[in-house]
Amino acid sequence: SQKIEQNSEALNIQEGKTATLTCNYTNYSPAYLQWYRQDPGRGPVFLLLIRENEKEKRKERLKVTFDTTLKQSLFHITASQPADSATYLCALVGGYNKLIFGAGTRLAVHP
Amino acid sequence: EAQVTQNPRYLITVTGKKLTVTCSQNMNHEYMSWYRQDPGLGLRQIYYSMNVEVTDKGDVPEGYKVSRKEKRNFPLILESPSPNQTSLYFCASSLFWADESDNEQFFGPGTRLTVL
Repeated sequence: SQKIEQNSEALNIQEGKTATLTCNYTNYSPAYLQWYRQDPGRGPVFLLLIRENEKEKRKERLKVTFDTTLKQSLFHITASQPADSATYLCALVGGYNKLIFGAGTRLAVHP
Repeated sequence: EAQVTQNPRYLITVTGKKLTVTCSQNMNHEYMSWYRQDPGLGLRQIYYSMNVEVTDKGDVPEGYKVSRKEKRNFPLILESPSPNQTSLYFCASSLFWADESDNEQFFGPGTRLTVL
């Protein structure tokens, strides 16, 4: 069956460290993958998109990698800050006109 | 301001009482969709629309209806709500269809629905 998996356990890190979140998928061959940030009680906000022919993409303190062989994307936040605390969702095109989301990983950055 | 709006933001209702959640976007987006979000299950697509008068089922369409009579509006209708439809609902829009790249989804603020 098709699955998108993100670590359901919260990730707790110290301020200033690099946070790394994982998104694994099975039985999909997505042309691209997206990452979103969601704060409690609010709608997700788009952060980054990475295409299948791109190994890495950066935006300010964010870095995303996409390994189509491992069927995995890694999302990094460098020099993390307490304001980065949120739930991060990955999403990919899972069928005709359908965007499929993972359940998300909650990140908590402690001062 | 470019945005997706939803109303109401909070709703408590009883089983069987028809309700409509409105969704409107001011970005001239072609693609709109509805999701529900439940703990541990993530966002699941209910229905989507590629353009006016074109709608199709997502992964969890049972118990829901939608319509797309105008480009900007995409209401979600629950004809006979049941307790298992208690959830957090999000409307989203994007410029292109999901198969196009650069398909950033813009989400509304959410509607928290409780069906007693």
